[in-house]
Amino acid sequence: GDSVTQMEGPVTLSEEAFLTINCTYTATGYPSLFWYVQYPGEGLQLLLKATKADDKGSNKGFEATYRKETTSFHLEKGSVQVSDSAVYFCALSDFNQGGKLIFGQGTELSVKP
Amino acid sequence: IAGITQAPTSQILAAGRRMTLRCTQDMRHNAMYWYRQDLGLGLRLIHYSNTAGTTGKGEVPDGYSVSRANTDDFPLTLASAVPSQTSVYFCASAGTPTGELFFGEGSRLTVL
Repeated sequence: GDSVTQMEGPVTLSEEAFLTINCTYTATGYPSLFWYVQYPGEGLQLLLKATKADDKGSNKGFEATYRKETTSFHLEKGSVQVSDSAVYFCALSDFNQGGKLIFGQGTELSVKP
Repeated sequence: IAGITQAPTSQILAAGRRMTLRCTQDMRHNAMYWYRQDLGLGLRLIHYSNTAGTTGKGEVPDGYSVSRANTDDFPLTLASAVPSQTSVYFCASAGTPTGELFFGEGSRLTVL
């Protein structure tokens, strides 16, 4: 079945460092890809998404490009802030599988001042 | 703006007890979902409903049941709680089955 694999955390960075969180997926169809973020004590919220190959999703300085050839959707940010500390989840949604989101295990990011 | 409301926010209960987690949304979304979040495992889908009156099983449905009597409410019931059901439970909704998910703030359940 479909699945999502993320790099293990926690990831600890200094403020203004460059961030990459790797995400790869396995899917039989042509899924949409998502990054969700969970701040401490809160539910998940959508960060960005891409619905087809080569699409780039972007929001709040974060971006990710849907790479069909490498089945990847890596999250990047050029300069992280302390307020970016959170858990980040990569997810896929395949319409042919009923559209339900399948999540990766999450990557905790901690940004130090 | 309420969005999705879950109750209770936290609960401790004894093994073998029955428990219902409530979820209400005010966005008139057709699709609703229940996930459990466990450390190192991410979020796993328990049950879902694409529209009022229909439900389906997710990845980890055993020990849980749901109902969808109307658009707004989607309660999750543990008929006889077991310690392995200790988790944080998130309810979510979407305007369409492939649309963005909106999450509640979670219900932390501890089964002793």
